[in-house]
Amino acid sequence: DTGVSQDPRHKITKRGQNVTFRCDPISEHNRLYWYRQTLGQGPEFLTYFQNEAQLEKSRLLSDRFSAERPKGSFSTLEIQRTEQGDSAMYLCASTLYGTSALNEQFFGPGTRLTVL
Amino acid sequence: RKEVEQDPGPFNVPEGATVAFNCTYSNSASQSFFWYRQDCRKEPKLLMSVYSSGNEDGRFTAQLNRASQYISLLIRDSKLSDSATYLCVVNLYGGSQGNLIFGKGTKLSVKP
Repeated sequence: DTGVSQDPRHKITKRGQNVTFRCDPISEHNRLYWYRQTLGQGPEFLTYFQNEAQLEKSRLLSDRFSAERPKGSFSTLEIQRTEQGDSAMYLCASTLYGTSALNEQFFGPGTRLTVL
Repeated sequence: RKEVEQDPGPFNVPEGATVAFNCTYSNSASQSFFWYRQDCRKEPKLLMSVYSSGNEDGRFTAQLNRASQYISLLIRDSKLSDSATYLCVVNLYGGSQGNLIFGKGTKLSVKP
């Protein structure tokens, strides 16, 4: 499968614990995005990388959230001291920026986080 | 005005019906527009991009009205398999930022 992959697919944790999610984009894609989606809402932008550089962070991304893409390939999203309000689907998407004005993004299956 | 706003839905239609979804966006500088489809508990998948001149892909037609900051999606001869949530998506701030702004989605249910 050459699409975007995410791991784990599901994560249940207790409030206050730290969690880390991984995203592997489509191999030649230079941009990688993280979104969060809660029930009944569309995905909300969190942050994105171009290669290894983190170019933008949403105000939704509190200090408890950190994302990295150290080698410009896979990315990790860490949430420290999880809160019940962090329960959501975390989606990763990638695109090959610069080849098309439309910059279509391809999404992974998401990691569903439940904070108890 | 919300950044990207869609018809609230849900739309419940019989097979074979024609259904139209509308979407408005807040920033006139927006450059890229898309309709994504999301099945229950699945990731969003690109349905079609929306071009300035309007475009058609089989039973699906997308239109863009820049003056009114309005996008539409028309589905003709709807099938049971069209049942999903349709997300209006805009590269709202244009330029090189690339992050997409999603509407809340409109749920479509096609009944036999």
